[in-house]
Amino acid sequence: NAGVMQNPRHLVRRRGQEARLRCSPMKGHSHVYWYRQLPEEGLKFMVYLQKENIIDESGMPKERFSAEFPKEGPSILRIQQVVRGDSAAYFCASSWGQGDIYEQYFGPGTRLTVT
Amino acid sequence: DAKTTQPTSMDCAEGRAANLPCNHSTISGNEYVYWYRQIHSQGPQYIIHGLKNNETNEMASLIITEDRKSSTLILPHATLRDTAVYYCIVRPQGGSEKLVFGKGMKLTVNP
Repeated sequence: NAGVMQNPRHLVRRRGQEARLRCSPMKGHSHVYWYRQLPEEGLKFMVYLQKENIIDESGMPKERFSAEFPKEGPSILRIQQVVRGDSAAYFCASSWGQGDIYEQYFGPGTRLTVT
Repeated sequence: DAKTTQPTSMDCAEGRAANLPCNHSTISGNEYVYWYRQIHSQGPQYIIHGLKNNETNEMASLIITEDRKSSTLILPHATLRDTAVYYCIVRPQGGSEKLVFGKGMKLTVNP
């Protein structure tokens, strides 16, 4: 019974490059959430997606960041033209349903380092 | 902003019960109380959640006061592997699905 899977676990990018982070939710889960944890800070919500739809992107920076959750395949968080301030741990979570009674299960995270 | 307040840190002896407090005096309506923990930069781990009644699972017990303004997470027999940052989260009903993490509380279990 695999949990939430994220890859890569570590990603190094030079300033100006693109970063693609992938998240495969738990089996049977159709709701995906992305959170970011800057060094020495707490986790901050970025975006909530259901299959093929963005439901809440209130925590997503307006520029350079995008997310998708296609009908087939993993959810992708894409960061264009990365800057040093994007260096952080990015966590994906999934849940079975929509609503506050459904717990979110987190993946191990992708640690992005921008050099 | 997080709607909860927790101590910054707490120590506990291995094998003893760890009682982790959380204040959520502005909790309203049917908002759930959730607990997560994060062990040394790993992904947050779901522990337990509750609404009004006390809850117990294989990991912990959650005691919610009758007025729902505070709660306590109980780890009955703490082990070294329970050393982590514990987050108490009040999750609004309906609307946004996001979890709002505060600073959490660092629990250190000592041998």
